[in-house]
Amino acid sequence: AQSVTQLDSHVSVSEGTPVLLRCNYSSSYSPSLFWYVQHPNKGLQLLLKYTSAATLVKGINGFEAEFKKSETSFHLTKPSAHMSDAAEYFCVVSAYVGGGNKLTFGTGTQLKVEL
Amino acid sequence: EAGVTQSPTHLIKTRGQQATLRCSPISGHTSVYWYQQALGLGLQFLLWYDEGEERNRGNFPPRFSGRQFPNYSSELNVNALELEDSALYLCASRYGTVSNQPQHFGDGTRLSIL
Repeated sequence: AQSVTQLDSHVSVSEGTPVLLRCNYSSSYSPSLFWYVQHPNKGLQLLLKYTSAATLVKGINGFEAEFKKSETSFHLTKPSAHMSDAAEYFCVVSAYVGGGNKLTFGTGTQLKVEL
Repeated sequence: EAGVTQSPTHLIKTRGQQATLRCSPISGHTSVYWYQQALGLGLQFLLWYDEGEERNRGNFPPRFSGRQFPNYSSELNVNALELEDSALYLCASRYGTVSNQPQHFGDGTRLSIL
């Protein structure tokens, strides 16, 4: 079975403080993992991806994520939040399941950034 | 490089009508995916096309259908529209079918059913 759990549906931070968006996954296969961001009335934009190379992955806009196999986690972080980071974030796991590729999306985390 | 483009941006229909949504993938991408994002329901997988063939289908009724053309563009058709079909419909394309390749999304078509 393959699943993704985003542990917080809403996260609120102050501008300039660190961001942590949590994602746990379950997969019987060696997965690839992605984080996407969605601003209102827009599509999903790829932030970063893990594909079995370095476990610490750097993405766009100062975001990074660390793949921890022992904890089955892929949390998204940013040292200092900016107002423009307010959006919804999706964690996605991708793996070959039953002879075909299967993508599973998390339910999303809404990030609010306050002054 | 042009991204994934979707048309129209907005579409307003009434119950019972039919809607056609269009998607042009990134050049070189052969796989196209369709998703429904309704308020409060997250991203729901609808259809996957690759090389002109339907490869997988989500848990949606048969009135949701589509096709992929030889140039890899795609069309989503929704027949007998119902109020609950109101949603943002997102198209994504991907290079091949390898699991480590990410999907790239368009900005969607907002379908409103009156």
